Amino acid sequence: ETGVTQTPRHLVMGMTNKKSLKCEQHLGHNAMYWYKQSAKKPLELMFVYNFKEQTENNSVPSRFSPECPNSSHLFLHLHTLQPEDSALYLCASSQDWAKNEKLFFGSGTQLSVL
Amino acid sequence: DQQVKQNSPSLSVQEGRISILNCDYTNSMFDYFLWYKKYPAEGPTFLISISSIKDKNEDGRFTVFLNKSAKHLSLHIVPSQPGDSAVYFCAASRRGGSNYKLTFGKGTLLTVNP
Repeated sequence: ETGVTQTPRHLVMGMTNKKSLKCEQHLGHNAMYWYKQSAKKPLELMFVYNFKEQTENNSVPSRFSPECPNSSHLFLHLHTLQPEDSALYLCASSQDWAKNEKLFFGSGTQLSVL
Repeated sequence: DQQVKQNSPSLSVQEGRISILNCDYTNSMFDYFLWYKKYPAEGPTFLISISSIKDKNEDGRFTVFLNKSAKHLSLHIVPSQPGDSAVYFCAASRRGGSNYKLTFGKGTLLTVNP
């Protein structure tokens, strides 16, 4: 398997649920990202990990908790989300943080919070 | 405040004709610009980029033009093909700084009719 793989593709959760999004990249990259795409809004950067270390937290609420156990895997743990958190969550990777312009994206997780 | 703007949410062109997608930016510190393409149910994929030291970059049917004085760039697709139908995102970054974070526009949906 190649590229950036995200699971699940779709997720429906209640506001009291805890769920996790998973991302795996098979490109040998060292930087991984979480982006959020809400309807009619630009892609918003949430978190950046470079060599497993978090280098960017773009003022994201604490109900979103990222985890990067190694350079190939990235998780986004979700807890007590709000309906306005419903969006497409995209994982991406790049060779490293200094070459983050050419991103390789996964297909995303379409999240609906009820 | 949106720093990268794609004012046309959608564009429809006939197969074989030219498609022109426009993008404006407000931050004069941006010095690198990219276009990404996104098909439904897939993540965005890198298409073409241009540095601020150039005013044109060409790759096959795709050409990006940069007008720094107007803070405007455009993507030309010639000839347009039905397979080009997708959402196109403009993005910009500031390479000279310590943070290469990409700023995206909202996207333009291109439909190429057979």
